[in-house]
Amino acid sequence: QQQVKQSPQSLIVQKGGISIINCAYENTAFDYFPWYQQFPGKGPALLIAIRPDVSEKKEGRFTISFNKSAKQFSLHIMDSQPGDSATYFCAATGSARQLTFGSGTQLTVLP
Amino acid sequence: GAGVSQTPSNKVTEKGKYVELRCDPISGHTALYWYRQSLGQGPEFLIYFQGTGAADDSGLPNDRFFAVRPEGSVSTLKIQRTERGDSAVYLCASSLGTGASEAFFGQGTRLTVV
Repeated sequence: QQQVKQSPQSLIVQKGGISIINCAYENTAFDYFPWYQQFPGKGPALLIAIRPDVSEKKEGRFTISFNKSAKQFSLHIMDSQPGDSATYFCAATGSARQLTFGSGTQLTVLP
Repeated sequence: GAGVSQTPSNKVTEKGKYVELRCDPISGHTALYWYRQSLGQGPEFLIYFQGTGAADDSGLPNDRFFAVRPEGSVSTLKIQRTERGDSAVYLCASSLGTGASEAFFGQGTRLTVV
């Protein structure tokens, strides 16, 4: 049973545009929601994370929006750049410590 | 080292052979995780160590897979009688282990079973 559903599978954005990736979770015991960025041949790298006691967290051009009642969270990349082209994974974890990942979004930012 | 180190970067083995994959976590990180990532998919949890003990091995797919962390630092993932379906990138991550703190991933070992 997939516990974290991610969409879209792929996303193409023009340079300077806004990239939006969405995730939904099922397990209400999750209490930590990170986003990872992965380049080809590399391991995932933590981008930004949020806990359910806040509805939004912003770090530079990256913002997480969190809707606890809907069990949804999203990543917004403002002023998207070609260097942002990568695969993005949402994830969730709770007391079990292990991360449950979404299926990934391949982002392409056109110059 | 500065980050999580995994060796080898690539491993090609024949079906039925035994392989060992090594992970060197960030110094001082007590928690260590193994994940498996198939092409075009998100990483899937295999096993979690807290110190020397396996705190959760519920993600290991079958008894051909085994992992150890004898001194609470370096970990080895062992796969017996490899099958073509075992081909994937095996990722190791470590964290301070205090609650749901951030996990740092290595670059992975790409295993190909031919």
